[in-house]
Amino acid sequence: GQNIDQPTEMTATEGAIVQINCTYQTSGFNGLFWYQQHAGEAPTFLSYNVLDGLEEKGRFSSFLSRSKGYSYLLLKELQMKDSASYLCAVRDSNYQLIWGAGTKLIIKP
Amino acid sequence: GAGVSQSPSNKVTEKGKDVELRCDPISGHTALYWYRQRLGQGLEFLIYFQGNSAPDKSGLPSDRFSAERTGESVSTLTIQRTQQEDSAVYLCASSPWGSGGLETQYFGPGTRLLVL
Repeated sequence: GQNIDQPTEMTATEGAIVQINCTYQTSGFNGLFWYQQHAGEAPTFLSYNVLDGLEEKGRFSSFLSRSKGYSYLLLKELQMKDSASYLCAVRDSNYQLIWGAGTKLIIKP
Repeated sequence: GAGVSQSPSNKVTEKGKDVELRCDPISGHTALYWYRQRLGQGLEFLIYFQGNSAPDKSGLPSDRFSAERTGESVSTLTIQRTQQEDSAVYLCASSPWGSGGLETQYFGPGTRLLVL
């Protein structure tokens, strides 16, 4: 079967750095997405990786290793507004998005 | 429109009643997706439209669930004879062409369904 694993919850301190991991087993691979979802709101797009390596976008970076079936989202200089759930999703060989359950990130002052 | 819109934003219904949820995608977006999200859980894929055809209905949980789409615009998700386990947020997303690449799905605000 297809599976996306990410930690259920993480806690970090304002101003610090946090890394949210995602491992996947899917039938084929056509890209990995990270979305941010604030409580009670819809998910919004953060990043996309299809080749191995690191993609940097401001305070957020996303890394992919296809051979390991592994990605991480790195958030730097954490702000209170970064408190949200972070969803990892993989597009499989049928171009269908398979979603992880999300990681709830709690930022403490 | 500027974004994906969904209506109603909230719906409370009695067990056994039918409900209809509506999604207006971003104008010009070919692909449309319906997801279900239970409290504290991830997204559960329901159905995907490419234009007004549905090549993938594999996520519909039972025959009480159906969806249709008119042209490349409005879609409705219908749940017949609702059950309490249907209570969830139903999210709609659209994307330009549904065929890969950096193709972001843009989500609507969701419909919060509560079945009593």
